[in-house]
Amino acid sequence: NAGVTQTPKFQVLKTGQSMTLQCAQDMNHNSMYWYRQDPGMGLRLIYYSASEGTTDKGEVPNGYNVSRLNKREFSLRLESAAPSQTSVYFCASSGRPPSGSRETQYFGPGTRLLVL
Amino acid sequence: AQSVTQLDSHVSVSEGTPVLLRCNYSSSYSPSLFWYVQHPNKGLQLLLKYTSAATLVKGINGFEAEFKKSETSFHLTKPSAHMSDAAEYFCVVSHGGSQGNLIFGKGTKLSVKP
Repeated sequence: NAGVTQTPKFQVLKTGQSMTLQCAQDMNHNSMYWYRQDPGMGLRLIYYSASEGTTDKGEVPNGYNVSRLNKREFSLRLESAAPSQTSVYFCASSGRPPSGSRETQYFGPGTRLLVL
Repeated sequence: AQSVTQLDSHVSVSEGTPVLLRCNYSSSYSPSLFWYVQHPNKGLQLLLKYTSAATLVKGINGFEAEFKKSETSFHLTKPSAHMSDAAEYFCVVSHGGSQGNLIFGKGTKLSVKP
């Protein structure tokens, strides 16, 4: 299994440009998440999707949109990029393990975004 | 409300000496607690997790953590540091199965000196 994959790995944008970050998981997980990581801030949740067809806002949703395309894929879109969105973006997925214990989130390798 | 406090932003140890990374949490519920590790320019890897079974949890690479409810702590330890342990470590709390409910600490950067 590849786990959680993200594309692209790096991206440079100019202010006002748009782009979509892609995420896919092959673990048959129901839930998927988008986080941003900034120095000294830990990870902060942008949006999450509890199941195919549903999405909900997290802690810092402004300036972003998401789309749960199917069970495997969860994309994050920046419609008009701003320098404040310079960050590292992580996608994660989770699913209830067979043992019935609580869910654990598994993370992708991240996308490093620079907005000039 | 839930919160996680990692008491040290940076810890430096010598190779072969013990590692202690401190984490305190607050939660109104019976929490699940996790430690994740992030090596430079890499994603986050699950190190270990506590989910109300044994209070001493063993993880990968020789790390372990002890859940102490009376102290609301979940400190991460390793008896002998290795150079490859140099990374950033995140303590994370989750209060149940509802979605999007992970609260991350701000991270502790571990440096290992030869």
